[in-house]
Amino acid sequence: GENVEQHPSTLSVQEGDSAVIKCTYSDSASNYFPWYKQELGKRPQLIIDIRSNVGEKKDQRIAVTLNKTAKHFSLHITETQPEDSAVYFCAAEGADGLTFGKGTHLIIQP
Amino acid sequence: SQTIHQWPATLVQPVGSPLSLECTVEGTSNPNLYWYRQAAGRGLQLLFYSVGIGQISSEVPQNLSASRPQDRQFILSSKKLLLSDSGFYLCAWGGQGNQPQHFGDGTRLSIL
Repeated sequence: GENVEQHPSTLSVQEGDSAVIKCTYSDSASNYFPWYKQELGKRPQLIIDIRSNVGEKKDQRIAVTLNKTAKHFSLHITETQPEDSAVYFCAAEGADGLTFGKGTHLIIQP
Repeated sequence: SQTIHQWPATLVQPVGSPLSLECTVEGTSNPNLYWYRQAAGRGLQLLFYSVGIGQISSEVPQNLSASRPQDRQFILSSKKLLLSDSGFYLCAWGGQGNQPQHFGDGTRLSIL
């Protein structure tokens, strides 16, 4: 089955700086990669996703890149703001469905 | 549009008591449905998923069970709760054909 590794587990950045969260996956047949943001005590919400026929996707301050050859994908947040503080989960969809990474706690320092 | 309802939002139960958490989805038919548990500060652990009425797949051995009596209803149950069952339980739908899963608001379960 699919195995998704996510790093780092905790990331602290200064407000205004960029944050990068990286994930690797094991199943080369996986072709859909969503990212979720979970604020404290709330449900995970989809923030961006990418499909395997695309190498990069951007939505305002958020971008996701995908390297299918290396089987890794990353979330990039630019000009970070206090409201970006949350736990972020990557996921990969393979034959067995969606597999989540263990999450990254992003802390934005004022 | 599709919506997902999960209740209750918070639940405090004594050890050994039964459990029933309910999740319903509106605005879609024959969705894939999922139950996840999230321990404090931890990731999402898939407990059960269902691709149709009466079809339940269990991902981890435990004292919980799931049922899908109707197309858009997914129920998580236990006959006797353990302390280790405490956590944040999330229901989700979707995840078919390169589409995302969408989560309910969750139930925070505390076992005393």
